[in-house]
Amino acid sequence: SQTIHQWPATLVQPVGSPLSLECTVEGTSNPNLYWYRQAAGRGLQLLFYSVGIGQISSEVPQNLSASRPQDRQFILSSKKLLLSDSGFYLCAAQGNNEKLFFGSGTQLSVL
Amino acid sequence: AQTVTQSQPEMSVQEAETVTLSCTYDTSESDYYLFWYKQPPSRQMILVIRQEAYKQQNATENRFSVNFQKAAKSFSLKISDSQLGDAAMYFCAYRNRDDKIIFGKGTRLHILP
Repeated sequence: SQTIHQWPATLVQPVGSPLSLECTVEGTSNPNLYWYRQAAGRGLQLLFYSVGIGQISSEVPQNLSASRPQDRQFILSSKKLLLSDSGFYLCAAQGNNEKLFFGSGTQLSVL
Repeated sequence: AQTVTQSQPEMSVQEAETVTLSCTYDTSESDYYLFWYKQPPSRQMILVIRQEAYKQQNATENRFSVNFQKAAKSFSLKISDSQLGDAAMYFCAYRNRDDKIIFGKGTRLHILP
């Protein structure tokens, strides 16, 4: 079955510190990969998506970046976190069956 | 740019009744996919139903069905025989031909016992 491993589940970081969130996908090959951010009780904002290794489309011109070093690995990074980076981060993958499935998310609090 | 609009931030329905959640989208493309996702308090995203734009027949999954009006760019979700477990945030989503997937702001659905 198709699954996404996303960690950590919660993260508390000080302003100005770096960030690295990673997700790995199992059960499908060459997936499209996505990073979304959800503010409390709000909708999902698309941050980045990737249709192949090394191919990243950015939707949000902020201090975040994404990389896809392997086919089923997607990393979200920041060199210096801002207070506004707080939120619930979801990694998602679109597999061979055209369905989009999600990781369990990371709650990031920047203090 | 494509957009997805859910105009109902919150809705309530009596248990066992039927409720319809609205979604409209804006696009110049003719080939795309539309989805409804459910997010319960656990925050796990669950696919409810999917519709391919080239299919005229409305998708149905058990108690869930859609009313897809391509010309009007409308994609509403109907939940029949509402159950307490249906209480959640519901998101409408659009996927374009470049595989970009965007979501609406969501509708919080309350089920009244």
